[in-house]
This record gives sequence, structure tokens and C-alpha cells, in this order.
Amino acid sequence: DTEVTQTPKHLVMGMTNKKSLKCEQHMGHRAMYWYKQKAKKPPELMFVYSYEKLSINESVPSRFSPECPNSSLLNLHLHALQPEDSALYLCASRRGGDTDTQYFGPGTRLTVL
Amino acid sequence: GESVGLHLPTLSVQEGDNSIINCAYSNSASDYFIWYKQESGKGPQFIIDIRSNMDKRQGQRVTVLLNKTVKHLSLQIAATQPGDSAVYFCAENIGSGGYQKVTFGTGTKLQVIP
Repeated sequence: DTEVTQTPKHLVMGMTNKKSLKCEQHMGHRAMYWYKQKAKKPPELMFVYSYEKLSINESVPSRFSPECPNSSLLNLHLHALQPEDSALYLCASRRGGDTDTQYFGPGTRLTVL
Repeated sequence: GESVGLHLPTLSVQEGDNSIINCAYSNSASDYFIWYKQESGKGPQFIIDIRSNMDKRQGQRVTVLLNKTVKHLSLQIAATQPGDSAVYFCAENIGSGGYQKVTFGTGTKLQVIP
């Protein structure tokens, strides 16, 4: 099983809403990632969790709040987003070795009204 | 090549021909490189990787070449098929352990003409 799942597939929210994106993997991977991808652009790293601890935060605004409740789950809590935050949010996981393959989920398409 | 505005560099190839997609990377400390394929509406999919101590690696119908002197990567796809149509990203890996970061290049759109 080399699958990373993400829910929901699509999300529309207002600027005052609070919502969460969910990512799950059951490959025993110990590193998990959140990326943001705008149309026709490459994915941009937001956060890295290693062994359930936040190891990299790429200066992401505090309206994005990651959480890693256990080794299989990664959440991204959203609050007071702006329309420019509309994008595809991708989750990825990696076993943990430096040259291990990073597996991506299908993403959540987020629209902020 | 680099993207300008909202336009991805595009490579159009006849079905059955070979495709070559190029990528320049920026960090001489990068030690591991990956090519990803991204189809519309999907997440990036791993194609092939190469470590910095190699200059060539072959997979099924794909070959990656690494030239560290000029910081250049290329992806060669043999006998290109319509299913190969997608955006291709090279990515470079820096760091190790929990501080490992993968940075993506700008991407190239491959269009296969039937």
C-alpha cells in the first residue's frame, strides 16, 4: 500500500470559517509534509513533521495551523483565510531515510470566498 | 526553462518519439534529485530519482541524467505515449532527517500529439 489519502477532495469556505484538512497514510512513514500549489506553479513546502514533531515551518502565516496527532495522521487547521489562500493543498509522506521516495496524496482543492 | 507569468514551458512531442525535459537546479549542496509527473487534478507522482554520486539512472522507458558541473538535470522518455501527457517537475533535496527539504523546479508541460 503506497497510498496517501486526503479529505475533503474539495472545500469552499468563507473568510470567517474554521475548517480542517486531513491527511492519512498507513505505510509507517515517519515524515509528513504539507505543500501549497497554485495553478501552473510548483508545490511550495509549508510544514514538515518528523516523528510527529514539527521540524520545518516555512514562515507560513498563523492562519494555517498544522497538527500531527499520531504517526499516521496529519491535519491542517484553517482559520480566517484570505481569497489568495485558494490553492491545491498537498500532503506527502516519506519513510524517513534521506533518499526515500516522497509519496503525495491527491490534494484538497480549497476555494476561499 | 523558467516560467513567465502564468505560462508553463511546454514541450510538444509526436507519439512514439523520444522526449527530453530539462531542469536547472540552484543549490550545489543538493544531494538527491527526483522527477515527478503531475496529471491534471492529481498529486505529483514519483517517476525516477538519482543521487548526486551518479550521473545517469535508467528506469522503465525513462532515463535521468545529472550534470553537477553545470547543475543540470534531464529526463528522457523513450517512445512517448499519450498517457505521458502531464506536467513534469524536477525536485532537489537538501538537508537530512527531519530537516530534509524538497524544492521543486518550475515545471514543464509535456503534450503528446497522437
